[in-house]
This record gives sequence, C-alpha cells and structure tokens, in this order.
Amino acid sequence: NAGVTQTPKFQVLKTGQSMTLQCAQDMNHNSMYWYRQDPGMGLRLIYYSASEGTTDKGEVPNGYNVSRLNKREFSLRLESAAPSQTSVYFCASSEVRAYNSPLHFGNGTRLTVT
Amino acid sequence: GQSLEQPSEVTAVEGAIVQINCTYQTSGFYGLSWYQQHDGGAPTFLSYNALDGLEETGRFSSFLSRSDSYGYLLLQELQMKDSASYFCAVRDNRDDKIIFGKGTRLHILP
Repeated sequence: NAGVTQTPKFQVLKTGQSMTLQCAQDMNHNSMYWYRQDPGMGLRLIYYSASEGTTDKGEVPNGYNVSRLNKREFSLRLESAAPSQTSVYFCASSEVRAYNSPLHFGNGTRLTVT
Repeated sequence: GQSLEQPSEVTAVEGAIVQINCTYQTSGFYGLSWYQQHDGGAPTFLSYNALDGLEETGRFSSFLSRSDSYGYLLLQELQMKDSASYFCAVRDNRDDKIIFGKGTRLHILP
C-alpha cells in the first residue's frame, strides 16, 4: 500500500523550462491537493480537485496548471519556470468532506529553478 | 477567504507541557486539523476537531472553540523527538479547500 506517490523527488530547471510533477494515490480518495512550502511560509495551496474532472484554484495558482487525469492521478505543470517557483511541492489526498478524514501527503518534490 | 494565525516559534523543556494556539477566519468551516512535520519530511496528521471540546490521542490533545474561532494543540510529557513544526489547518465545507497556517516551530530543551 504505497499511499501518495510523487515523482520526481528532486529536479533542477533553468528559467523558462517546463515540467510536470506527477502525483498518484491508491486510497480511492476523491480529493487531491497540491501545496508548495517555502521557509517561513507554511504550506500554501496551489490547486485542488474535489472530484475527478474538477479542479479549483487555491491561494497561489499563478504560473501553474493542473490536470486531474483520473481518480488516482493529479499532475501539476509549470509551463515556464521562474526562480520564484523554487520550492518544495507536496501532493496530498483525502476523502471529500468526510469527518475526520486527514490529508495524506506524498514525500515531496524539491524543485530548484536557476 | 480563509486565514490562520499561529505563533512562529515556541520553546519548552523536555518532560514539560506546551500549548500551540491557532486562530482562524473562514467562511465555511468543516473542522480544524493539526499536522506535524519534521525537517526534511512530509507533514503527518495528528488530530482533528469538528465540534467544540477536547480530543485526546495519547500525549497529544487538541481543543476547539467554534464560537471563538480558536483552537490549540497540547503536547504533554515532551520528548526530544517532538522537536518539529506544527501546522493548524481548516477545511471549508463548501468546496473542500484545506488551508494551512504558517506553522509553529517547537524547540525542546534538554
């Protein structure tokens, strides 16, 4: 039982390059989330998806796009990376609006944009 | 919108009790959660409150007052391994958005 799997674990990009962060969960959860974490800023929500086929903007969506490919997979795309997007990215999943259903996090992707 | 406030750092002594407070503002509230994160790791779930009152899980307890938009995490019998960052988070019952506070770094002195 893998839980939430994120790939890659580490990535270095040059400014202007594009990449897609992959996330998959095997817990049959409806809701999936992408967060970024910067020192002193906590976890900030980029995009989320409460069900297959729906996505919504979070707190810091600019510069990102997402795709809820199916119930298991939720990808995050940087079309033209910028140094300000250097961060640790976490994917998470949960049951939708379920009492006491916690977020399950992947291990994170450490992204550096030079 | 939603926002959460929690202290940036707290220091306590091994074996003691520490309380980490969290105040929140949200339009639709479904519950307050707490997560722990060790350096270099992913956040892990600690506790959840949807109703007023105290929830206890071993050495950790969490409290919620919905009328005051306030909650806290209580850690008892502190151990060095409790040195970590702690985050409160609110879940919106309208759209399932989950927003985190900026986190509280807990330092434990021997």
